[in-house]
Amino acid sequence: DSGVTQTPKHLITATGQRVTLRCSPRSGDLSVYWYQQSLDQGLQFLIQYYNGEERAKGNILERFSAQQFPDLHSELNLSSLELGDSALYFCASSRILAGVFSEQFFGPGTRLTVL
Amino acid sequence: AQTVTQSQPEMSVQEAETVTLSCTYDTSESDYYLFWYKQPPSRQMILVIRQEAYKQQNATENRFSVNFQKAAKSFSLKISDSQLGDAAMYFCAYRRTGAGSYQLTFGKGTKLSVIP
Repeated sequence: DSGVTQTPKHLITATGQRVTLRCSPRSGDLSVYWYQQSLDQGLQFLIQYYNGEERAKGNILERFSAQQFPDLHSELNLSSLELGDSALYFCASSRILAGVFSEQFFGPGTRLTVL
Repeated sequence: AQTVTQSQPEMSVQEAETVTLSCTYDTSESDYYLFWYKQPPSRQMILVIRQEAYKQQNATENRFSVNFQKAAKSFSLKISDSQLGDAAMYFCAYRRTGAGSYQLTFGKGTKLSVIP
């Protein structure tokens, strides 16, 4: 158990719908990262937050957005869903040790299926 | 942009034997981190080992060790005394240091099977 929690574990929805994925980082970790794992694209970085502020953006679609709340949990919002958005979405967290971001620990993932 | 390449989509090893998974990467940075993550059938991503580029000594974690060749931009993972629980997808990952993003860039993965 990495200490990172994600809900829900599984999500099945229809095209055009909107969903929210939730992540709670490990205790003490201020940074949250979102990754998408799909068969054709592999593991791709989407976005990073640090202490409530967006830190970096990767290959995140405009239909997707995220935020990190004062209690440090994060939510990834996916809208106007398409079949190709079906994937495993991971949240990871890390902390700063001696001025450097430590390694990332991953949550169990949310399996999104768009029908 | 950094890229990570794992040229072996699948590998197999006999239980108790040793296997080496390959990884190469491309970067213009001089300092960075490299990681191996394991993803078993449960889909959980588990950190196996990490290597700082400025360290010449290869990292080891129990039965897992790496062969880090900085000039060749190669970072292989050796698993000794393979066990059935080692069967999983293994991903090599790169992360830069310094200011900016600390995202991980992953390879496509190697599926390791362990034969009893």
